[in-house]
Order: sequence, then C-alpha cells, then structure tokens
Amino acid sequence: DAKTTQPTSMDCAEGRAANLPCNHSTISGNEYVYWYRQIHSQGPQYIIHGLKNNETNEMASLIITEDRKSSTLILPHATLRDTAVYYCIVRVAGNNDMRFGAGTRLTVKP
Amino acid sequence: DAGVIQSPRHEVTEMGQEVTLRCKPISGHNSLFWYRQTMMRGLELLIYFNNNVPIDDSGMPEDRFSAKMPNASFSTLKIQPSEPRDSAVYFCASRNAGRNTGELFFGEGSRLTVL
Repeated sequence: DAKTTQPTSMDCAEGRAANLPCNHSTISGNEYVYWYRQIHSQGPQYIIHGLKNNETNEMASLIITEDRKSSTLILPHATLRDTAVYYCIVRVAGNNDMRFGAGTRLTVKP
Repeated sequence: DAGVIQSPRHEVTEMGQEVTLRCKPISGHNSLFWYRQTMMRGLELLIYFNNNVPIDDSGMPEDRFSAKMPNASFSTLKIQPSEPRDSAVYFCASRNAGRNTGELFFGEGSRLTVL
C-alpha cells in the first residue's frame, strides 16, 4: 500500500472548518483513501473513504485531487469534540492489511 | 447493534504472568484484527484473521505472543510470559471482508500494565 504523509499537528477554532491534508503521491489506481480518527483513549473510528470522486457524509467531506496524489478531509464546523488524532490511510480495495501511521493531532480551540 | 466487545478493559499483572485478552467481533463480520498502541510506536497491526484463519501474523512481536480464533464470534490474544515492555493498549477490530471497502470497527481496547 502507498505511504501517506500528514502534518503532525493542527489547530482549529471552534465553529470553523477544519481542513486536514494528506499526501499520497505514490498512490496507485486501485487504492482507496481512508480516514479514521481516534479520540483520546478510545478505539479509532471510521470517518470516510473515497477512490477518486469527492465524498461527503454526515461526519465530513473528502476532497481528492484530480491526480489523486493528495487529499483533504474537511470537518465543516469543528466542535471541541472533534479534537482527536486523524489518520489518513491508503489501501487496495479488498486488502485487509490496514496499517496506521502517526496521523495529525487536531486540537479544536474555543 | 453491539459493537466489538473486548475484555478485560484494564489488566494489571506482574512480569512473568500469562495474560489473555478477549474479543467478540460484530456479528456477521468475518475479518478480525488485533492492534497494539503505545506512545513510542503508535498503532501497530499485530495479526488479522479471515474466516477464523490467521492470514498475516508478521506484526506479532515474538513467540511470547499468540492469537487464536476458534470460531467466528471469539478471539484471544495471549502473552506468556508477559514483560513490562508489553504494557500497551490492545485493540481488537472487525470488518465485513465481503465488502471490499468495508471499514474497520474497533473495540474500546484493553489497557495492559505489566509491572
């Protein structure tokens, strides 16, 4: 699976959009981009995934660049409860080998 | 729906003792994963099963660690003998492998402290 690069940490003001970038320049055509988050002392939680089209669900939006070499997870109106570590993972569909990197620690401030 | 259930939530033991961690995956899920999380190494994949069969155990640190899945609704991770460096939070996760893009569902973890 392709490697991903994420900033170590980011801050965001409560109520504002949080934009979390992920670089996956070596992604191949059959690899999906997944996002998970881990709130302190809890298990990771799935957020969203996509292949090449932008995706939106009740939690977030995922914007994937046309060349698929990077993506951005958008939390449209961040709340204090969105403070967590956010993981970007690239994985071949059907591949069970889901490995987590260091992620981005997002702190939402009042 | 019940999520992934892990037990115990917390375990404190002494070096040399055997530790058994348990996991009940979500009903209908046929892939099960064991992860370990520490401050130093982050979230590491230890082993995963498909249809109760171990597929990749390359992440298991050493022979002191073993994992079994005797049936679709139960898995154990055993450490014998335990050492202080095994102190970590151990997570179990499951997914429906029949869905190519099926996401992982994690349990709340078992926090192990080895004195």
